Amino acid sequence: DSGVTQTPKHLITATGQRVTLRCSPRSGDLSVYWYQQSLDQGLQFLIQYYNGEERAKGNILERFSAQQFPDLHSELNLSSLELGDSALYFCASSVDYGNTIYFGEGSWLTVV
Amino acid sequence: EDQVTQSPEALRLQEGESSSLNCSYTVSGLRGLFWYRQDPGKGPEFLFTLYSAGEEKEKERLKATLTKKESFLHITAPKPEDSATYLCAVQSLNRDDKIIFGKGTRLHILP
Repeated sequence: DSGVTQTPKHLITATGQRVTLRCSPRSGDLSVYWYQQSLDQGLQFLIQYYNGEERAKGNILERFSAQQFPDLHSELNLSSLELGDSALYFCASSVDYGNTIYFGEGSWLTVV
Repeated sequence: EDQVTQSPEALRLQEGESSSLNCSYTVSGLRGLFWYRQDPGKGPEFLFTLYSAGEEKEKERLKATLTKKESFLHITAPKPEDSATYLCAVQSLNRDDKIIFGKGTRLHILP
């Protein structure tokens, strides 16, 4: 158990809908990362927050957004969902930027 | 652009047959190189962090090494429970805090 908690574990939704994925980082970690992993792709970096501020951005679609709250939990919002958005979404956290990141167990999103 | 290439894509070994996985990287200054193990449908599990060329780290049957252009994950006398996908990732000194992952090596150890 890495200490990073993600909910929900599984989610099935229809195209065009919006979902929110939630992540609680390890106790004491200030940095949160979001990644997308689909069958034919590796782990794709989406976005990183550090202590509530956006720190780095990857190839995150405009339909996706994220935020980190004062209690350091983070949410990833996915809207206007398409079939191709079906994937495992991972959250990871670290004490600070430049440190090892620890992953949660992921949220498995299926868009039908 | 930072890049990570892992080889081979897949590897099948007999139990006890040692081998090495390769991770080649291109970054504008390396802050850290990371190895993770991922089981199907699970989150990546941290194995090692390496920071500078010449550094080595060991854990049970695994040993990670680092040069200026690549890292190796050596697996000595593997067991079937070592079967997993092994992921390599790098973080650059100069490009914010992105951690970029390779596509992984799928390792299968036959009993």
